[in-house]
Amino acid sequence: AQSVTQLDSQVPVFEEAPVELRCNYSSSVSVYLFWYVQYPNQGLQLLLKYLSGSTLVKGINGFEAEFNKSQTSFHLRKPSVHISDTAEYFCAVTPNTGGFKTIFGAGTRLFVKA
Amino acid sequence: SQTIHQWPATLVQPVGSPLSLECTVEGTSNPNLYWYRQAAGRGLQLLFYSVGIGQISSEVPQNLSASRPQDRQFILSSKKLLLSDSGFYLCAWRDLGTTYGYTFGSGTRLTVV
Repeated sequence: AQSVTQLDSQVPVFEEAPVELRCNYSSSVSVYLFWYVQYPNQGLQLLLKYLSGSTLVKGINGFEAEFNKSQTSFHLRKPSVHISDTAEYFCAVTPNTGGFKTIFGAGTRLFVKA
Repeated sequence: SQTIHQWPATLVQPVGSPLSLECTVEGTSNPNLYWYRQAAGRGLQLLFYSVGIGQISSEVPQNLSASRPQDRQFILSSKKLLLSDSGFYLCAWRDLGTTYGYTFGSGTRLTVV
């Protein structure tokens, strides 16, 4: 079985500051890793994914994440945030063995202040 | 490209009334389809998933049901709504060919009063 822990429920940050949203996971099998973003009253949108290969993956809107297998982490980063990045961010894992289920973290609310 | 349509966007229903939420997918065939619920301030709870017409797997015992009458249509239903059914319902399909990620619909905000 898999589990996902997003270590911060809320992250306030000033505009143009860097941000890191933390995600740890546990799994007995290899997994694919994802970050999704949800703007208010909307569905989730895929931000980036790690399937294999380079452990540093780049996504949309200037976000990137690094897969660390030894620490079972997949932290999301952005060097300079904008007001428009205010949203909820979800980390998710899926077994790479062909399972049908994805486990989502509880979400981190990023609040960018002017 | 693939798109997913979900309606209605908002719904206010009395306790004990029936429910029908519809989701359709365009631009793909034989998609894996999912219904998730998101309670206020909480993460996503998988309710049902379907790998084909008439094939429904339930993840959480409750008074909701799902059906897949056509390849690209997924319906969430209830005969009698409870107050605890309030939440944000999301339909999604999963790309098993390339990204392995989900494409979500825009969601339905259900308030049971």
